[in-house]
Amino acid sequence: EAQVTQNPRYLITVTGKKLTVTCSQNMNHEYMSWYRQDPGLGLRQIYYSMNVEVTDKGDVPEGYKVSRKEKRNFPLILESPSPNQTSLYFCASSPPTGYYGYTFGSGTRLTVV
Amino acid sequence: TQLLEQSPQFLSIQEGENLTVYCNSSSVFSSLQWYRQEPGEGPVLLVTVVTGGEVKKLKRLTFQFGDARKDSSLHITAAQPGDTGLYLCAIQGAQKLVFGQGTRLTINP
Repeated sequence: EAQVTQNPRYLITVTGKKLTVTCSQNMNHEYMSWYRQDPGLGLRQIYYSMNVEVTDKGDVPEGYKVSRKEKRNFPLILESPSPNQTSLYFCASSPPTGYYGYTFGSGTRLTVV
Repeated sequence: TQLLEQSPQFLSIQEGENLTVYCNSSSVFSSLQWYRQEPGEGPVLLVTVVTGGEVKKLKRLTFQFGDARKDSSLHITAAQPGDTGLYLCAIQGAQKLVFGQGTRLTINP
């Protein structure tokens, strides 16, 4: 089954403790992206990657890092999480243009206390 | 100002009723996508519309792209509780999807 898999689904952590949210896709998509979703603010892009070793900032990249060492994986790294990064995070992938739609993961609900 | 304006923001109706939600903009788009998101889950692509005036049907859901490619609508016939969710329209921007704020739909049994 074609899918984007995120782990973990739920995570509660403390301020400053580094964490990584993993994302993997099995569709051989070149493009991958991370979004966060917050009430009243909708879905906002954090980072994206056009292909292996090619990443760039989205609209809200502060406090986040990403890497794309393999085509299928695109982890999101929070080096020093803060409470304002409490959110629902989604990874997404698509063929290069995104013209025909994105496939989203099931989400990671992160709480930073 | 939102690039994509969705209306209504919230809609609660009884099972069996029909409804229409809208996605409007002052800009022209080459294509537009509709997603449904259930609580705690990721958005799931329903349809992509490409041609002005295009109508696509997905069971009880009918999607229309405006003639001028500036707006779109989603009509649901005989709504069911399983249709409950957040409906999002989106366009492909520069290296990202740009979403509307969504219509939160609740179908009451």
